[in-house]
Amino acid sequence: NAGVMQNPRHLVRRRGQEARLRCSPMKGHSHVYWYRQLPEEGLKFMVYLQKENIIDESGMPKERFSAEFPKEGPSILRIQQVVRGDSAAYFCASSPPAGWNNEQFFGPGTRLTVL
Amino acid sequence: GQQVMQIPQYQHVQEGEDFTTYCNSSTTLSNIQWYKQRPGGHPVFLIQLVKSGEVKKQKRLTFQFGEAKKNSSLHITATQTTDVGTYFCAGRTGNQFYFGTGTSLTVIP
Repeated sequence: NAGVMQNPRHLVRRRGQEARLRCSPMKGHSHVYWYRQLPEEGLKFMVYLQKENIIDESGMPKERFSAEFPKEGPSILRIQQVVRGDSAAYFCASSPPAGWNNEQFFGPGTRLTVL
Repeated sequence: GQQVMQIPQYQHVQEGEDFTTYCNSSTTLSNIQWYKQRPGGHPVFLIQLVKSGEVKKQKRLTFQFGEAKKNSSLHITATQTTDVGTYFCAGRTGNQFYFGTGTSLTVIP
């Protein structure tokens, strides 16, 4: 059973470009969470999704950031018009249908560098 | 707003010494989870505590959840070099998990 997969593992973008980060949850998991981690800091919650639904996006910046988890395919975190401050590691985690009461399985992360 | 603080931020110990990290929330938590992240790696789940005053053990690790469900601690007995990493608590309120700031543990052989 493959774990949570994220791609790309490393992404370099110039200011103003778009970044698309993908997350495939573990088999059987219908809940996906996205977190951002700045160097030497903890994980900051961004968004919590189920298939085709955003459950909680209170941690997402109001502009330029969006997330989706379609019926088919991976969850996507999209950052438009990236700025240097967006440089961080973005982790995706998944959990079984019981949601928040279960452990979260983290992917290896996507390390975004904005030049 | 909701905050989960951890202390200390960094801890260096000699191999064989004990280590404790403390997690404090500004509000009551539904449950608390602990994760370990190795340098360059991703967080890995260690344990979940749900009940007030709950204590759980995993070999040399002891986890506690406070009576008021606002604080928690992780204690490692007789640290080993394999314990190196950053330990995060994550407390749930409502729909969100709030991760603590983490405690980075260095074990000196």
